[in-house]
Amino acid sequence: DGGITQSPKYLFRKEGQNVTLSCEQNLNHDAMYWYRQDPGQGLRLIYYSQIVNDFQKGDIAEGYSVSREKKESFPLTVTSAQKNPTAFYLCASGNLWPQHFGDGTRLSIL
Amino acid sequence: DQQVKQNSPSLSVQEGRISILNCDYTNSMFDYFLWYKKYPAEGPTFLISISSIKDKNEDGRFTVFLNKSAKHLSLHIVPSQPGDSAVYFCAASGRDSGGSNYKLTFGKGTLLTVNP
Repeated sequence: DGGITQSPKYLFRKEGQNVTLSCEQNLNHDAMYWYRQDPGQGLRLIYYSQIVNDFQKGDIAEGYSVSREKKESFPLTVTSAQKNPTAFYLCASGNLWPQHFGDGTRLSIL
Repeated sequence: DQQVKQNSPSLSVQEGRISILNCDYTNSMFDYFLWYKKYPAEGPTFLISISSIKDKNEDGRFTVFLNKSAKHLSLHIVPSQPGDSAVYFCAASGRDSGGSNYKLTFGKGTLLTVNP
């Protein structure tokens, strides 16, 4: 069964810590995306990657970093520089646009 | 600057009736439009799309209409079913500021409730 797996489902971060959210896809999609959703808001693009070893900043990249060393994997690191990290994070993949989304990771600050 | 707007945060309809979800956009360079459906605690699922060269696309109970002159699109669900109750996001695709990649811009979503 092809799909996108995000882990963990819930994540807690202490002040000053970096945390990494995992995203893996087995759909053979070229492009992968990270979005952030806040209550009552649409999805806002953090980073996206069209091919391995290349990625671009989205609309709200500050305080986040990514890597794309493998086609299947696109981890997102929420750094301590991100002042308001509490949100629901969604990873997606597709060939032209996001076609499949994972079930998300909810990040909270302790 | 919100380029994709869904002005109705919520919509309630009776089962069997038509649901009409609306979306407006400001950027005339958008060339593809998509609708996604999202249940609580899950990721969105792609529902239906339309190219800017068309004015209608139909898939079963779902039809999307595009009015380019008005920069407006709508999603019609006929007949509506209780299982359609979800948040619906409108999204528009266009080149990023560098001109080399496509990216989606999402609206804030409309919560549809279909009452039995």
